[in-house]
Amino acid sequence: KAGVTQTPRYLIKTRGQQVTLSCSPISGHRSVSWYQQTPGQGLQFLFEYFSETQRNKGNFPGRFSGRQFSNSRSEMNVSTLELGDSALYLCASSLRQGPGETQYFGPGTRLLVL
Amino acid sequence: GESVGLHLPTLSVQEGDNSIINCAYSNSASDYFIWYKQESGKGPQFIIDIRSNMDKRQGQRVTVLLNKTVKHLSLQIAATQPGDSAVYFCAENPNTDKLIFGTGTRLQVFP
Repeated sequence: KAGVTQTPRYLIKTRGQQVTLSCSPISGHRSVSWYQQTPGQGLQFLFEYFSETQRNKGNFPGRFSGRQFSNSRSEMNVSTLELGDSALYLCASSLRQGPGETQYFGPGTRLLVL
Repeated sequence: GESVGLHLPTLSVQEGDNSIINCAYSNSASDYFIWYKQESGKGPQFIIDIRSNMDKRQGQRVTVLLNKTVKHLSLQIAATQPGDSAVYFCAENPNTDKLIFGTGTRLQVFP
């Protein structure tokens, strides 16, 4: 069974631009979560989607948004990019929503904002 | 492919020795814990998990120990190999949908 896939793997943008990242979960998994990883802050939760609805959200500004499609694929969008948004963005999928569900991660999208 | 903190605690072990990586978690309500391994340029890879109704769980060459009294989690790797070199994260699941990650420990295996 294929793992979580994320596209693109690498991205360079400039301040003020917007970016859309894509995540395809493991087949059959219906919950998708997004995390930001930076050297200074570590791994931080962005949001989680299940059945096309955002179920949980971390402490990030409204510039960060996401959505989930009926096939469970998810996208996240960051508008008005700032230098501090440079990070590795990780997507994780799990079979179901809820605590205690093992999350499996994709390879991440490395975003560099210049 | 640097993707983790620059000032992580580091554990250096010789190939063949056993490794013990420790983690203190914060939320006494957490009832599910996971250890992930992250190699340079890759996403975190699931290693082993444990629920709060257990205090020990074994996998292939790995054992996770949970001490709820002091909110401490450890990962033991037997016969450490060069391929075990990575950053290891513990994560807790405090009865919500999100995981809270520790800062990570870098494991270096030398011959």
